[in-house]
Amino acid sequence: EVQLVESGGGLVQPGGSLRLSCAASGFTFSGYYMDWVRQAPGKGLEWVGRSRNKANSYTTEYAASVNGRFTISRDDSKNSVYLQMNSLKTEDTAVYYCTRDHLYSDVYWPDYWGQGTLVTVSS
Amino acid sequence: DIQLTQSPSFLSASVGDRVTITCRASQGISTYLAWYQQKSGKAPKLLIYAASTLQSGVPSRFSGSGSGTEFTLTISSLQPEDFASYYCQEIKSYPLTFGGGTKVEIK
Repeated sequence: EVQLVESGGGLVQPGGSLRLSCAASGFTFSGYYMDWVRQAPGKGLEWVGRSRNKANSYTTEYAASVNGRFTISRDDSKNSVYLQMNSLKTEDTAVYYCTRDHLYSDVYWPDYWGQGTLVTVSS
Repeated sequence: DIQLTQSPSFLSASVGDRVTITCRASQGISTYLAWYQQKSGKAPKLLIYAASTLQSGVPSRFSGSGSGTEFTLTISSLQPEDFASYYCQEIKSYPLTFGGGTKVEIK
């Protein structure tokens, strides 16, 4: 059974940093792309970024709103993907989800989602 | 960046109704579109990918169609467990934009 479990959320002051983790199980983690998606309270979904797999050199993509402040990394030996968030702003307050992305027709589609972890940026 | 416009943003319907949600892209995205269902307080769930391919385990009353710039998600006969929010997402180019969402509520 595919499972994704996010952790590391909490309350942080503006300008602060936080590192989220997503622990995966039930599939061969190293072969998959992984995304981070967030949802501000009462709002819609916002794609944050993507980590490609080893075959694609672990390269990453980011939304403009977080580029330069957030960094996605992964450790295939621990079946985990991470989201390092620096210079946090109040508008980064959201539930953060990680997703597993499966390959179909040359494109990676987010097919499993974790339960999310809440990040609150406030003084 | 590609913008996705969902309509309606809110929909009130009865059990058994046929429901259609539209997602329009600001530029052509072929069939690089997914649909998700999100129930209150829960993570989103993939319903359809590649515009019309039903994810494993998703009931057949859900269907997707379209290509290019206009896409639809149809629920053929609305069930009590279908009352939720629905989102489209394009997977053609970065950033992978979501539509604004459609909330389906009980009439």
